[in-house]
Amino acid sequence: EVQLVESGGGLVQPGGSLRLSCAASGFTFSSYWMHWVRQAPGKGLVWVSRINSDGSSTSYADSVKGRFTISRDNAKNTLYLQMNSLRAEDTAVYYCARGGDCGGDCYPPGVWGQGTTVTVSS
Amino acid sequence: EIVLTQSPGTLSLSPGERATLSCRASQSVSSSYLAWYQQKPGQAPRLLIYGASSRATGIPDRFSGSGSGTDFTLTISRLEPEDFAVYYCQQYGSQGMYTFGQGTKLEIK
Repeated sequence: EVQLVESGGGLVQPGGSLRLSCAASGFTFSSYWMHWVRQAPGKGLVWVSRINSDGSSTSYADSVKGRFTISRDNAKNTLYLQMNSLRAEDTAVYYCARGGDCGGDCYPPGVWGQGTTVTVSS
Repeated sequence: EIVLTQSPGTLSLSPGERATLSCRASQSVSSSYLAWYQQKPGQAPRLLIYGASSRATGIPDRFSGSGSGTDFTLTISRLEPEDFAVYYCQQYGSQGMYTFGQGTKLEIK
């Protein structure tokens, strides 16, 4: 069974840092592009970042560029999101999602985890 | 950056009726890299449609997608009780960026 399990969320003060993890199982993790998507309470979905299969190419939403870093460890089947300089507006449920194995931005996030909650507040 | 605008914001229909949801892009979506998702309260989104018109694995054939360029449509031919949810369109791949529309809430009339 294909599964994505996020962890690492919690309460953090403004300006603080947090690292999210996403453990993947049930598929060949190293073949797939991966994404982070977030959803603030009562709001819509916002794409955050994506990484290609070997970690050599990344992209970010403007709202997190320079503060967040996506990475992956294919030996551990794990995706990460390092979040620095956190702001109140970063408060959200963060989902990891599996993209495609087509070698490009040719397939949308198709398998999603259940999310981990990040709250930025003093 | 491509901006996606979904309409209507809320759609009130009865089970058995046909639903038509719209997604308009601020510029042409390359290669029809347009997807549709369904999200129910407390759940992660579920991919319904990719490539503007291809159904994802396990999606019933009452869901269909169409369109190209800047105008896209998700149609649910005959609403089932479990179809009442929020629907999002998403464009993917434009300069490595992915953006979502603001969502359409499909509610029971």
